[in-house]
This record gives sequence, C-alpha cells and structure tokens, in this order.
Amino acid sequence: ELKVEQNPLFLSMQEGKNYTIYCNYSTTSDRLYWYRQDPGKSLESLFVLLSNGAVKQEGRLMASLDTKARLSTLHITAAVHDLSATYFCAGVPILTGGGNKLTFGTGTQLKVEL
Amino acid sequence: NAGVTQTPKFQVLKTGQSMTLQCAQDMNHNSMYWYRQDPGMGLRLIYYSASEGTTDKGEVPNGYNVSRLNKREFSLRLESAAPSQTSVYFCASRTRGRQLLYGYTFGSGTRLTVV
Repeated sequence: ELKVEQNPLFLSMQEGKNYTIYCNYSTTSDRLYWYRQDPGKSLESLFVLLSNGAVKQEGRLMASLDTKARLSTLHITAAVHDLSATYFCAGVPILTGGGNKLTFGTGTQLKVEL
Repeated sequence: NAGVTQTPKFQVLKTGQSMTLQCAQDMNHNSMYWYRQDPGMGLRLIYYSASEGTTDKGEVPNGYNVSRLNKREFSLRLESAAPSQTSVYFCASRTRGRQLLYGYTFGSGTRLTVV
C-alpha cells in the first residue's frame, strides 16, 4: 500500500524568499502529481512527474522526482502572496490491481506574508 | 467544456437521513473516483470505478455505496448519514492511456454537514 508523507504541514514565509516542500512515498510509484488548492476550491493540477530525474517548472514553482530516494520536491523561488494555498502531492502505485488510484499526502498549507 | 460536474454543492443532513451525491463527466473518461477531504488528512479514496460496470472499495468505504450508472455518471450514496461523514466530497475522472499525461480532473466538490 502506498503511503505519501509531506512536510512541512504548515509553512509561513515572506515574499521574496525561497523554500522547498518535501514529499516522501513508501513504495514504488508509477508517477507523482502536485496539486494546488485554494480555500473552498477544487484541486488544480500543477505538475505530473513520470520518471526518475524528471524536473518541471512553471513560473516560481519547480517540481522534481527522485524515484530511488522515493522523494519529490516542490521548490518555490522568490515567493509572492499569490502562491498562498495548500499544496498536495499524490502518487499512484505501480501495482494497483486496477484503478490507478491516487494516494494523497496530507498537504502543505503555504502562507506568503506580504 | 464542463469537465466534472458535482451536485449539490452544499448540503446539510440530519443524522440518519440518506442522500445521493451526483457526479457526471463529459470527457469520455473511463475511470471515476470519489474522495473525501477532512482537515489535516488530505484526500482519501472512498470508492472508485475503473471502467463502466465496475466499482471497488477505496481506503474509507464504510457507510457509503456507489453506482456507476453509465460511462458519464458515478454517484455516491449515504444510506444513513452520521456526523463523522461531515466532509468535503470530490469526484474525479481519468482517461486511459497516455493522453493528457494520465491526468485526473476534479469536480468542484460537495460540502456536506451532518448534524
């Protein structure tokens, strides 16, 4: 059974600073997803990482995947207030027995102070 | 391009009442999922349907039933609601194959309160 752990759970940072959110998973995962959720809203897809060493960037966010370490990171560069949200990582175990079920981490609540 | 549509958006139930949450997708996706979201616990899978005509339990199925009515629709039923089922419920769908990089599309959620 795939388990996904994120840290930190809460992150308060100043505008302009850099920080990294970590996502560890317990068993081999076929692929790793990052989502953003604003309060009271649905999940917005940010990145899909499909292979070891994969790196994807969009604006101030960069995600990477190390399948050997079972670790994905979401790096925030020069944070701005608009990035305040909850960020989730989610994985899909290779041997799912069908269904390609997403397993989510608990989320990281990011607050960027003006 | 509606994507995944959930109804209702908000609902208040009394303990013991029943209700059905509706989910429909217009993207011809094969797989559909029901998740619940509780504070500090991320999203947990309740039930899923890998394809039309099949359903399977997820991580937290107790107290729920599902129906995959056709390829478009996947409903979640609470037969006798309990306060522990107060949560936000999300429906999601997924296409088969490498299209859209195995993307999942989520609905806007149903906020359910059981009093």
